[in-house]
Amino acid sequence: EADIYQTPRYLVIGTGKKITLECSQTMGHDKMYWYQQDPGMELHLIHYSYGVNSTEKGDLSSESTVSRIRTEHFPLTLESARPSHTSQYLCASSEVEGEQYFGPGTRLTVT
Amino acid sequence: QKEVEQNSGPLSVPEGAIASLNCTYSDRGSQSFFWYRQYSGKSPELIMSIYSNGDKEDGRFTAQLNKASQYVSLLIRDSQPSDSATYLCAANTGKLIFGQGTTLQVKP
Repeated sequence: EADIYQTPRYLVIGTGKKITLECSQTMGHDKMYWYQQDPGMELHLIHYSYGVNSTEKGDLSSESTVSRIRTEHFPLTLESARPSHTSQYLCASSEVEGEQYFGPGTRLTVT
Repeated sequence: QKEVEQNSGPLSVPEGAIASLNCTYSDRGSQSFFWYRQYSGKSPELIMSIYSNGDKEDGRFTAQLNKASQYVSLLIRDSQPSDSATYLCAANTGKLIFGQGTTLQVKP
């Protein structure tokens, strides 16, 4: 069973605040990903990492940043939250490209 | 043209029927293909992967790949109401590209 965790699960925050969404996995996977998904809409890749100290931007332009200092940890940070950032954020990890295990997600609302 | 295309549906089938979900992709260099299931309000979950032409069966699920036609399908036999979800097709082009998903409704 996949063990990938995201905190917080739900977050309501005011405009302009700095937030960090946490993602951790205990499977030792090198590859980790962040996706954004609005209800009923497509998954959009916003960041990915293929190992420690390696991060890349995905297909969707995002004002967020990520870091990968430890294999198991891949946090996403928004320096100044805006209402347009309101969405579901999904973290995933994989050993084999394509076979991704997703965390439960963080539902972010920016007021 | 999207890299991975699916009919968004909904596809409605009666309980016990075969549900057929289809997907086309544009990058001929795509090496492997995946089906994910996503229940409403939940995260995607990998249910099938297929790496070579032909059929791959796992329980009630069969994935089919035809690289010449750039076509992937998922068959669900003996559909159950619990199969009602959105099914995402994904192609590995060097990174994973997801389709928009097909919503399946299985009616009792």
